[in-house]
Amino acid sequence: DTAVSQTPKYLVTQMGNDKSIKCEQNLGHDTMYWYKQDSKKFLKIMFSYNNKELIINETVPNRFSPKSPDKAHLNLHINSLELGDSAVYFCASSQGGIQETQYFGPGTRLLVL
Amino acid sequence: SQQGEEDPQALSIQEGENATMNCSYKTSINNLQWYRQNSGRGLVHLILIRSNEREKHSGRLRVTLDTSKKSSSLLITASRAADTASYFCATDYGGNNRKLIWGLGTSLAVNP
Repeated sequence: DTAVSQTPKYLVTQMGNDKSIKCEQNLGHDTMYWYKQDSKKFLKIMFSYNNKELIINETVPNRFSPKSPDKAHLNLHINSLELGDSAVYFCASSQGGIQETQYFGPGTRLLVL
Repeated sequence: SQQGEEDPQALSIQEGENATMNCSYKTSINNLQWYRQNSGRGLVHLILIRSNEREKHSGRLRVTLDTSKKSSSLLITASRAADTASYFCATDYGGNNRKLIWGLGTSLAVNP
């Protein structure tokens, strides 16, 4: 059974489009995260939700909007995609807060042309 | 920036050898975690070491923490080709706006 799953795995799209990435965890965790990993493998937190409540919102353009319909799901919607948005986006979850072990999804590879 | 730094950036060894990676950070931490990322995959948690701990083991992995030097090391003993991956440290500085700060990773290649 996949603990943290993301869809789609690959996403190729044109500049200016709007796209969504979905994430689901079946671990019963309270906290979920979105990370962005650039081409140099630098990993940066974007958002974190705890029980559907936004607790971390890093300096991310407001074109990025997370939505957590329940504590097992955290989706990421991106408006007006730009070339610089090309990266791998990882969803993760943890029981309790960020100090706990985080479990990562397989990543969504986004390429904006 | 609070970003941690791993060194070396890249390491290439033969199977059976030991691999040591280091992570340095800037200010006091609550804990430090090591993760592995295989090519094209998500990150996998290896070990969490708290600020009041000095050493932890898990199988062939040994992590040390030296808070006076603000550094941690990850030792992989008797390496295998399957250990080929990138290894990241992530630090929890606590406080407001709490989040993990990730290093840039060490890319390890274990040659058969």
